[in-house]
This record gives sequence, C-alpha cells and structure tokens, in this order.
Amino acid sequence: GQNIDQPTEMTATEGAIVQINCTYQTSGFNGLFWYQQHAGEAPTFLSYNVLDGLEEKGRFSSFLSRSKGYSYLLLKELQMKDSASYLCAVRDRNDYKLSFGAGTTVTVRA
Amino acid sequence: DTEVTQTPKHLVMGMTNKKSLKCEQHMGHRAMYWYKQKAKKPPELMFVYSYEKLSINESVPSRFSPECPNSSLLNLHLHALQPEDSALYLCASKGNSEPGANVLTFGAGSRLTVL
Repeated sequence: GQNIDQPTEMTATEGAIVQINCTYQTSGFNGLFWYQQHAGEAPTFLSYNVLDGLEEKGRFSSFLSRSKGYSYLLLKELQMKDSASYLCAVRDRNDYKLSFGAGTTVTVRA
Repeated sequence: DTEVTQTPKHLVMGMTNKKSLKCEQHMGHRAMYWYKQKAKKPPELMFVYSYEKLSINESVPSRFSPECPNSSLLNLHLHALQPEDSALYLCASKGNSEPGANVLTFGAGSRLTVL
C-alpha cells in the first residue's frame, strides 16, 4: 500500500513563493503526480515526475528524490487564484492505481 | 473533446432508492476510474476499468455496482446506500499513449447526498 504525507495547510502572500513537501512510503513506485483542486471542483493535473530531478512548468515546478521518498511542489509568483488544495499522488507498480495524499490547502493573502 | 462529463451534478436519494451516476469521455481513453471523496479528504479509489473489464475493485461494498457498457461510458449503480455514503463521486480516465499515458483527467464530479 501507500503512505503519503503532506502538510495540512500553508499560507503565503501574493507574489511570494511556497513549497509544498510530500513524503511517501510505497510497496512499489511508478511515478508521482501533483494535482490542484479548488473547493467543490475536480482535481486538475499539474505535474508528473518519474525520474529524480526538477520538472519546471511555468510558475509551477516539481522535484522528486526516489531514494528519499520525497517530492515538493514549488509555486512561484503566487496569485489569489492559486488558493486551492494541492494533492500529491503516487502510482504504484500497478499502472492503473493512483493513491492520493490528504492534500495541502494553500491560502494566498493579498 | 478533452473532457470527462459526469451526470448528474447533484443527486439526493433515500436509503431505499436505486439511482445511477454516469460518466462519459470521448478522448479514446481505455482506462476509466471511480473515486469517492469526502469533504476535506483525498479522493479514494473505488474501481478501475481497463478495456471495458473491471481490473481493480478496492473492496467496495456491493451496494455500489459499476458498469462499463462501452469504452466511452462508465456507470455507477447505487442501491440501498447509507448516509455515510454521501460524498463527491469523481470519474476519471487515463490516456493510452505518451504524453498523456500517465495522467488522469477528472470529471467535475457528482455530489451525492443520502438521506
């Protein structure tokens, strides 16, 4: 099974940077995903890491260290619309099974 | 079409009712999923269909019955539910080939209330 941990809440100021950490313990690993979910809406895909290192996509970057079972999502130049829950998800050896962490609620303040 | 469409958006049912949730995608994806999400909790996997065959059932109670009539449609039949089954039910599909093979695309969800 999967054990995925991430902080419950984070608050930051508009224009700032926030880093959301995720640690995982899995019986098998086949990729780590970050999703954004606004309240009452569906999760939307942000990033995917399967190899160690940093993936950059505009204002969002994601990092993975497989040996440490660790990932982070970096949100730069925060905007009010970035206030949402950010879900770390791990895919195990079964290519179809994706398990989610509890999510980190990010609140962006003016 | 890059969307997963779920109907209805909201459903209220009694514990003796029989109802169905529907999910449709026209992206040619061959894997479709049902997740259940309670408020302020992560989505929990319920079922996965791959090429119209049930490949994963996460020990879901039999009062939830999935059905995949064809590669574009996924249903979740509901019968004799309990109030604790009230939740947001999310459907998702997964791409078949790169670059989308790794990504789940979610529908907007069906919010179910069981009275």
